Amino acid sequence: QVQLVQSGAEVKKPGASVKISCKASGDSFTTYFMHWVRQAPGQGLEWMGVINPSGGSTTYAQSFQGGLTMTSDMSTSTLYMELRSLRSEDTAVYYCVRVNVRGAFEIWGQGTMVTVSS
Amino acid sequence: EIVMTQSPATLSVSPGERATLSCRASESISSNLAWYQQKPGQAPRLLIYDASTRATGVPARFSGSRSGTEFTLTISSLQSEDFAVYYCQQYKNWPPIFTFGPGTKVDIK
Repeated sequence: QVQLVQSGAEVKKPGASVKISCKASGDSFTTYFMHWVRQAPGQGLEWMGVINPSGGSTTYAQSFQGGLTMTSDMSTSTLYMELRSLRSEDTAVYYCVRVNVRGAFEIWGQGTMVTVSS
Repeated sequence: EIVMTQSPATLSVSPGERATLSCRASESISSNLAWYQQKPGQAPRLLIYDASTRATGVPARFSGSRSGTEFTLTISSLQSEDFAVYYCQQYKNWPPIFTFGPGTKVDIK
């Protein structure tokens, strides 16, 4: 069974960038697409984008176009999500997620809290 | 863009009672609909995918159904561990936009 382990909490100032990692273990890293989802405090789930770990092709949600980059490192089975020009509204828990064979979000990382504050 | 709506926003249910949660898609998504359960401080958990298929390890008291663009999650007899927030999500895959509903909170009556 695959496990996703994310990097630790981050505190950033407005205008800065953050890069979060998500390491996969226990299964083939390149078999399924991987997604990033975020959740602001007390709010719902927001899909950010998807990456094909094999090849690195990406699609981002429209609200993140230009400020988000997702990458993968097949040699270490690790995904990365970089968000630039941070604002207070980007304060949230960020999750990496692996889909199942049907495309549903099956395996979730533990989440990484990002706080943006001056 | 496909918009997902859920009702009610909050559902108050007594343990042992049946809970029925609704989700509507603004356009056809076939059966590409999943339900997730989220408890405070935890990541969401996949319960149902393809509108009615239970994920691995999900108890049989959880069931999903579809009628056109209307989807229903039913919890037949609520257990204490079922009080949580439930989200629906469409995963139509193309175009690759994966939209969540706003959630339904199931709390103790």
